[in-house]
Amino acid sequence: SAVISQKPSRDICQRGTSLTIQCQVDSQVTMMFWYRQQPGQSLTLIATANQGSEATYESGFVIDKFPISRPNLTFSTLTVSNMSPEDSSIYLCSVGPTNTGELFFGEGSRLTVL
Amino acid sequence: RKEVEQDPGPFNVPEGATVAFNCTYSNSASQSFFWYRQDCRKEPKLLMSVYSSGNEDGRFTAQLNRASQYISLLIRDSKLSDSATYLCVVNWRNTGKLIFGQGTTLQVKP
Repeated sequence: SAVISQKPSRDICQRGTSLTIQCQVDSQVTMMFWYRQQPGQSLTLIATANQGSEATYESGFVIDKFPISRPNLTFSTLTVSNMSPEDSSIYLCSVGPTNTGELFFGEGSRLTVL
Repeated sequence: RKEVEQDPGPFNVPEGATVAFNCTYSNSASQSFFWYRQDCRKEPKLLMSVYSSGNEDGRFTAQLNRASQYISLLIRDSKLSDSATYLCVVNWRNTGKLIFGQGTTLQVKP
């Protein structure tokens, strides 16, 4: 298993601002992912963070709104840009999959936009 | 139709009860199946993988029916500590793109 640290664990932000979430893994991993969990909902994949190239975004998510960096095999950032209250959510970094398909998740970053 | 569907519950059961959760998935090419557990305000954590032959881990039994595209989780002798949301998860092509069901909430009461 991997130890995944996310920062910040929570934040309250004003509408129109941007917030960058960091994800640090204690070992080199090939695949890193960013998920979103809106209040009362399940998890939705935002994008795959690719090392050395642009992130791969899922339908409904765009780079301008959620720019992602992946400078090396242990670190990634997700920025939530020009935030609105609809962006209030938990954002989770994950790594994997293992050979059985399991993903490990960070503790999440709880974002509230006022 | 959602890719992974679960009954959201909540399921309220007394301690010691047996409870079963069901899940259906729409993509017949799905390769890996899991049950994750998510406690309130925590990240999801793997409870168990689900194998075609069915598998058991203590009080937990998971079953997969590929023909019906159906997954189940059975919890026997429920404990208070089993109270959580149980997420049915499917991995298509063994990529990192896990597809999550909406989760089933279990509340075990004394």
